[in-house]
This record gives sequence, C-alpha cells and structure tokens, in this order.
Amino acid sequence: SQQGEEDPQALSIQEGENATMNCSYKTSINNLQWYRQNSGRGLVHLILIRSNEREKHSGRLRVTLDTSKKSSSLLITASRAADTASYFCATAGGGSTLGRLYFGRGTQLTVWP
Amino acid sequence: DTAVSQTPKYLVTQMGNDKSIKCEQNLGHDTMYWYKQDSKKFLKIMFSYNNKELIINETVPNRFSPKSPDKAHLNLHINSLELGDSAVYFCASSQDETGDQETQYFGPGTRLLVL
Repeated sequence: SQQGEEDPQALSIQEGENATMNCSYKTSINNLQWYRQNSGRGLVHLILIRSNEREKHSGRLRVTLDTSKKSSSLLITASRAADTASYFCATAGGGSTLGRLYFGRGTQLTVWP
Repeated sequence: DTAVSQTPKYLVTQMGNDKSIKCEQNLGHDTMYWYKQDSKKFLKIMFSYNNKELIINETVPNRFSPKSPDKAHLNLHINSLELGDSAVYFCASSQDETGDQETQYFGPGTRLLVL
C-alpha cells in the first residue's frame, strides 16, 4: 500500500509534555508531509520534508525522515491544549503517482490542560 | 478571504438522489482535488484536475462526475446516491502537481449523510 500509517492511533498527554508521532510507508517517495486536522475542520499543512532531507524544524515542530527505514516522526515540543487534533502523514511519490498524496489514518492527539 | 471554500457544509439526502458539491479556490493554484474521508478518518484521493483537465481518477464509480468550469472551481456531482457515499468530502488545491511544491490546501469539508 502506498499510504502512510501513523502510530500510535491515539496519544494523550499533559500540557508542557512533548508529543511524538510516527509514520511508516512502503514505497519510495519524493517527499513526506504532515497535516493537522481539528475536529470538524479541513486539513492544514504543517511541514514538508523531501526525500533527501533527514530533519526539519518549524517552530515547535521537528520532523525526521529515514528513507532506509521508510519512516518519519513528528515531534511537538512543549505541547499546548490547542495542539489537540488529528495528525496525518502523507506521502508524495513520482512517476505514475505524481500529484497524489497518500494519507494515513492519523494520530489523535489530546493535550490536557 | 477564505482560500478554499466548499458548499454546502452539510448535506443530508435520501438514497437514490443526485447532489452536487461546489468548491472554489482563490489562491491562483493550477491543480484541484477531491478527497473522501470515511468514518474512520481514512482520507483517500478521488480526482485531480490541472487547469480544468482531469489528471487523476482514482477508480471512483462513474456515479461521481467532477466538473471544472475554470481552474478556480472544481465541482463534484454524485448520481444515484448510496448509503456508502456517506462521508466527508474535502476539496483541496495546490500550485502545481508536477513540481515538488505539492503542499495542498484543504477546504473545510462537506459532510454528506445518505439516508
């Protein structure tokens, strides 16, 4: 399957703690993206990491990519209650899959105040 | 100044009916998409249009017919609705499907319930 798979399915933490979510995939990719979805809303793009990159930062977000293991992780540091949402990884490939994003089922993150 | 907008937000209808969902983006993007998100939050691409031309049709039943009157609009018409069509449908757009700029911008979704 070309879609990513997030792990864990659900994560519950206290404010101030770090949250780590993982994504595994099975095919070669051009890039991997992380999106966030608040309840009842559309997805919002968080960060894109290309296949030749190993780590990327954006504010409190840190994304790593290990193409040899076909996995990525999203770390949210010093989490806040407002970070409560579902987080999805999406893989983008080339060739016949150009233009397609394949999403996982997401990790539901709950941050308690 | 909503970037990607969809109407309606909610749609409740009977089995067998025909319905349309509209999508508009004001980002000047070349490519637009339709996704279906099921009750388990699994998000799957259905269609993609680039400059009004269909470029992706991900084995969607032909009861679903997308139409793009111009590159800022991508509408989705569904004939003979079935119970299994109940889902949230998201429209999205991106700058260019051929480059590495594949960040997609999503609309708020249309929640379709078929009774």
